[in-house]
Amino acid sequence: KNEVEQSPQNLTAQEGEFITINCSYSVGISALHWLQQHPGGGIVSLFMLSSGKKKHGRLIATINIQEKHSSLHITASHPRDSAVYICAVLLPYNFNKFYFGSGTKLNVKP
Amino acid sequence: DTEVTQTPKHLVMGMTNKKSLKCEQHMGHRAMYWYKQKAKKPPELMFVYSYEKLSINESVPSRFSPECPNSSLLNLHLHALQPEDSALYLCASSQGLALISHEQFFGPGTRLTVL
Repeated sequence: KNEVEQSPQNLTAQEGEFITINCSYSVGISALHWLQQHPGGGIVSLFMLSSGKKKHGRLIATINIQEKHSSLHITASHPRDSAVYICAVLLPYNFNKFYFGSGTKLNVKP
Repeated sequence: DTEVTQTPKHLVMGMTNKKSLKCEQHMGHRAMYWYKQKAKKPPELMFVYSYEKLSINESVPSRFSPECPNSSLLNLHLHALQPEDSALYLCASSQGLALISHEQFFGPGTRLTVL
């Protein structure tokens, strides 16, 4: 069983919609990262969270450590947001390695 | 310069070939990583170098041989690969090993096909 679960696996939205992607994990963590992977491969780090909430442009990431849950929200979605979003956690005894969720493939239609 | 470059972008090789993947960064990062990513799966860590020394080997078969000739370069030498090794190979770098303190920067990947 994977320690990190993401939902949904696939998500299709219309341009302008508010989008939420969820990440749940079953073990205690030190930090959680949200990553974005565009078609073609390159991965970009969006956020690192260990508590609370972070905002960057139209992206908002939240984490609830007690509930072992994080969400990534996209406001006013745009076709250029179409990508795979990956949640990755760092465990307290190993800061050198990510444990990845399986990813959420987002398609935003114009 | 916040870029990690990888060459080649695409590689097709036979099972008896020897080839190498190359990764370069000029951000002064001292940790460099190789990941393997199969279609519709998250990346899997293969190797980590810290200060040009191999720090982590995730039990990768010996047909994959990493090399870090200097702090800016990371190579992955490939020999006698199998078709199931076909994947996207991603390189990454970070200022240090502790990913809780340092952002990881990824290259665009090399898409490898083994025939």
